[in-house]
Amino acid sequence: DAMVIQNPRYQVTQFGKPVTLSCSQTLNHNVMYWYQQKSSQAPKLLFHYYDKDFNNEADTPDNFQSRRPNTSFCFLDIRSPGLGDAAMYLCATSRPGQGAYEQYFGPGTRLTVT
Amino acid sequence: QKEVEQDPGPLSVPEGAIVSLNCTYSNSAFQYFMWYRQYSRKGPELLMYTYSSGNKEDGRFTAQVDKSSKYISLFIRDSQPSDSATYLCAMSVDNYGQNFVFGPGTRLSVLP
Repeated sequence: DAMVIQNPRYQVTQFGKPVTLSCSQTLNHNVMYWYQQKSSQAPKLLFHYYDKDFNNEADTPDNFQSRRPNTSFCFLDIRSPGLGDAAMYLCATSRPGQGAYEQYFGPGTRLTVT
Repeated sequence: QKEVEQDPGPLSVPEGAIVSLNCTYSNSAFQYFMWYRQYSRKGPELLMYTYSSGNKEDGRFTAQVDKSSKYISLFIRDSQPSDSATYLCAMSVDNYGQNFVFGPGTRLSVLP
């Protein structure tokens, strides 16, 4: 089945220790998104790629970086995680012009910072 | 004022009840209105979408959009315990996902 896969599902890292979260998709969608979702809050868009074009949200901290080496994969790098970065990180994809209102989400990676 | 507002709940109803979930928004440029459902420890999934004003029905679910009032609703008839989840409204300006914004979500519990 076509899907969005995120690994790992749970990640524990230490304060200040770099961490990378990964996302892959078999939907062949042009657009990939990274969201941060804290408890009882809406998903907050961090950045998105339209093909290889990178779009950073204005309030995304510099601590967060992303890479998209090809259509299928996208990575979220947190260079120096702080306690406030503990959250669920959601990857999503969509097809612009063919229903970009529908975003397909992965199951998320829950990040704990100790 | 936040761009999209939604009652956070939690909302608890008995099985079989009619549920009404609502969102208000401030950006009159929004044209696409979506409802996503998010089960615990899962990513959101699209439940319904509506373009511009009007109603849309899909089984037990009805979405309503009133652009003049900047108000959208999701009705669930004959609610089931399996409907227990967080419901997120979302909106975008166009079909390219421009200015795609989620509401904060309402947690719904349907009690058997």
